[in-house]
Amino acid sequence: KNQVEQSPQSLIILEGKNCTLQCNYTVSPFSNLRWYKQDTGRGPVSLTIMTFSENTKSNGRYTATLDADTKQSSLHITASQLSDSASYICVVSPAYGGATNKLIFGTGTLLAVQP
Amino acid sequence: EAGVTQFPSHSVIEKGQTVTLRCDPISGHDNLYWYRRVMGKEIKFLLHFVKESKQDESGMPNNRFLAERTGGTYSTLKVQPAELEDSGVYFCASSRQTGRYEQYFGPGTRLTVT
Repeated sequence: KNQVEQSPQSLIILEGKNCTLQCNYTVSPFSNLRWYKQDTGRGPVSLTIMTFSENTKSNGRYTATLDADTKQSSLHITASQLSDSASYICVVSPAYGGATNKLIFGTGTLLAVQP
Repeated sequence: EAGVTQFPSHSVIEKGQTVTLRCDPISGHDNLYWYRRVMGKEIKFLLHFVKESKQDESGMPNNRFLAERTGGTYSTLKVQPAELEDSGVYFCASSRQTGRYEQYFGPGTRLTVT
C-alpha cells in the first residue's frame, strides 16, 4: 500500500468551477507536505509547501490545507481555467533518519477542465 | 535563471544495451536528486547528491544503475545492462538547500527498453 493516497484518480470539471482534491498519507513523522502540478510531458512544478505546524497555504487560486492529526491534506482550486488541466500530485517528505530530503509521491489526480 | 535540463528527452534502446542519462541542475544548487516513474506508478526517489557526494541512494533499484556527479555540477545516471522493467520517465531535480526547500524538476527523460 502506497504511503500517500490521493482521490479522486481523475476529475472533469467545467471552466470557472471550483474543485477539491484529497490526499491521505501514512508517512510519520513527516517534515513537510507539498502539492505539485505536472503538465503532460513536463516535470512537476511546486504549488505549495507546508510544514507539519502549518494548516493552510495559498498560491493564487490554489489553497492547500493540512490536518496533521488525521494525516489528511486537500488542494482547493478556485475559478478553474483551461490551463489548470494537469496531474496534481501530493508529496510528503519524511522526518526520520537521513531521509529528510526524500520525497514520497502520491499517484496523482488527473484534472481535466472543459470549456 | 535557467531551469534543470535533462538529456536526452527520449531514448529507445534494446534490452542488454547501456544508456546514460544526463542532468544539469540549476547553477548554484548543491543538492541534486534522481527520481523515476514507471508506467502507471507514482514517481519514486532514486538518490540524492550533495555536491559530488551521495547523501542517500536508498532508492536505487539494483547494481545495474550507477549515478555520478563528478565535480559537483552535472550528474549522469547509467543503466547497464538495461532490462525491460527499466522503462519509464527519469526525472532530475535540484535544490539550493535541503529540508523544506523547493526542489525544481527537469522535464524528464523517457526511457523505453525493447
